[in-house]
Amino acid sequence: EAQVTQNPRYLITVTGKKLTVTCSQNMNHEYMSWYRQDPGLGLRQIYYSMNVEVTDKGDVPEGYKVSRKEKRNFPLILESPSPNQTSLYFCASSLRPRVLARYNEQFFGPGTRLTVL
Amino acid sequence: QKEVEQDPGPLSVPEGAIVSLNCTYSNSAFQYFMWYRQYSRKGPELLMYTYSSGNKEDGRFTAQVDKSSKYISLFIRDSQPSDSATYLCAMSEGGTASKLTFGTGTRLQVTL
Repeated sequence: EAQVTQNPRYLITVTGKKLTVTCSQNMNHEYMSWYRQDPGLGLRQIYYSMNVEVTDKGDVPEGYKVSRKEKRNFPLILESPSPNQTSLYFCASSLRPRVLARYNEQFFGPGTRLTVL
Repeated sequence: QKEVEQDPGPLSVPEGAIVSLNCTYSNSAFQYFMWYRQYSRKGPELLMYTYSSGNKEDGRFTAQVDKSSKYISLFIRDSQPSDSATYLCAMSEGGTASKLTFGTGTRLQVTL
């Protein structure tokens, strides 16, 4: 089954304790992205990757790191989590758009609910 | 001002009603317009997309884009309880970038 998986689904941690949220896709997609979803703010892009070893900042990258060593995996790293990073996180992937007028659907994972105390 | 504005609702309608969901935006470079549906405790899933202006119909769903007014709509005909979800509009400039800019979402409740 084609899907995007995230782990863990739920995480409660304390300020300053490094954590990693994993994201994996089995669709051979080139493009992967991380979003956070907050009430009243919607989904906002944190980082994205056009391909292996190519990553770039989204709208809200502060406090986050990513890596793309393999095509299928795109982990999100919080080196020193703070309470303002409490949020619902989504990983997404798609084929890399090349053709104008053709939209390549982004497939979203099930989400990771993170609470930082 | 947010780049994409969407009424958060909640919107409650009886089964069988026609639902109208809307978003306005400010970035004239947006070319792709999407509607995602998000059920509780799930990730968003693409419902429909439109490239540039015009209408697109898929079953009970119709998406409309008016680029001159920077206004997009999603109509749901014969609404069903299974349509109860949060509907997110999203937009992209397209080309070689896939960055999506989302609205905050409208929560829809279809009652029996």
